[in-house]
Amino acid sequence: SQTIHQWPATLVQPVGSPLSLECTVEGTSNPNLYWYRQAAGRGLQLLFYSVGIGQISSEVPQNLSASRPQDRQFILSSKKLLLSDSGFYLCAWSVRDSYEQYFGPGTRLTVT
Amino acid sequence: DAKTTQPPSMDCAEGRAANLPCNHSTISGNEYVYWYRQIHSQGPQYIIHGLKNNETNEMASLIITEDRKSSTLILPHATLRDTAVYYCIVREPLILNNNAGNMLTFGGGTRLMVKP
Repeated sequence: SQTIHQWPATLVQPVGSPLSLECTVEGTSNPNLYWYRQAAGRGLQLLFYSVGIGQISSEVPQNLSASRPQDRQFILSSKKLLLSDSGFYLCAWSVRDSYEQYFGPGTRLTVT
Repeated sequence: DAKTTQPPSMDCAEGRAANLPCNHSTISGNEYVYWYRQIHSQGPQYIIHGLKNNETNEMASLIITEDRKSSTLILPHATLRDTAVYYCIVREPLILNNNAGNMLTFGGGTRLMVKP
């Protein structure tokens, strides 16, 4: 069966510090991968999506970047965090041409 | 991409049916309607999806109007564990290097509170 992992589960970082969140998927190959953010009291916002290794598309301009160094690994990064980067970050995957997305447990990031 | 409109919140008595409406008046012919829910501090959970016909699975039923401009998610016997934010989403096609991906954009959703 397929599983998706995210870590860390929670993170508290000072403003201006770097960020690296990791997401890995097991049990499937060549998935589509997604990063979402949910700010407090708001809906989910799609940040990045990837349909293959090294193929990243950004949905909104921001302080964040994403990379896909391996087929089932998706990384969200920042060089310098802002207070507005605080939120709940979710990684998701889908089978190519499927109508369902499967979400990871999420990372709660607090920038202080 | 078609946008959706949902009431921000609803209450439902435990054991009764919860009917969650969604308007998607600009939906196009090939777009599907999806429903997800998010329990507090967890990732979204897929519930059901449909194109034209009504759909039913072990979790819920989806009723889509004939003109496809609105739909209703029905939880037939709501329990306290169904308290969550419910998102109605219309599928947006994603084309990148000729590979169609499945991109979903989540709006505000409906916060359903099931009360004893």
